[in-house]
Amino acid sequence: AQKVTQAQTEISVVEKEDVTLDCVYETRDTTYYLFWYKQPPSGELVFLIRRNSFDEQNEISGRYSWNFQKSTSSFNFTITASQVVDSAVYFCALTDLRGNQGGKLIFGQGTELSVKP
Amino acid sequence: DTEVTQTPKHLVMGMTNKKSLKCEQHMGHRAMYWYKQKAKKPPELMFVYSYEKLSINESVPSRFSPECPNSSLLNLHLHALQPEDSALYLCASSQDRPRTGVTDTQYFGPGTRLTVL
Repeated sequence: AQKVTQAQTEISVVEKEDVTLDCVYETRDTTYYLFWYKQPPSGELVFLIRRNSFDEQNEISGRYSWNFQKSTSSFNFTITASQVVDSAVYFCALTDLRGNQGGKLIFGQGTELSVKP
Repeated sequence: DTEVTQTPKHLVMGMTNKKSLKCEQHMGHRAMYWYKQKAKKPPELMFVYSYEKLSINESVPSRFSPECPNSSLLNLHLHALQPEDSALYLCASSQDRPRTGVTDTQYFGPGTRLTVL
């Protein structure tokens, strides 16, 4: 069965601190995709990153970076020098290609990040 | 331009009412999705349309009736809802390239907050 675990339900940090959001996944497939989405209080899910199972290179985008490790089935997300605007719920998601057009997203439970000034 | 629009933003309805939620995208995407999200939970997939045909129905009660009039529009018709159906309803779209081995990113709209009295 496929599963995504975000063990951290809530994280609270002070502005300018670095913070890492953990994501561990389970799948029996060799081809799969991983995603991170941000959901601010307004409700819209904002796409952050997509990574396929064959690309283990880490990625950096401004203050955001992602560490993909197939050996530990993890796809962790780090925010450097956090800001109040980073306060949101962050979802990690997994999808696969088994007989399914487009891919069904399997979400983790989400991590609520609160950045205090 | 990655934009999915949804109307209305908020909707309050009684259990005997009939209402519709609307979703629109102009990105040329051929897959569209309806999700339901309860507070403090991840989104749950309800329906997927691929090339204007219903491809996935996640055992959703018949009081929810999806419709895809064309490739840019997706409706969700609501009838005889229950108070427990109160939630945020999210629409998403993605390019749909079945049988290519690619899972495309789903882009989400801002959602409709539905309250059933």
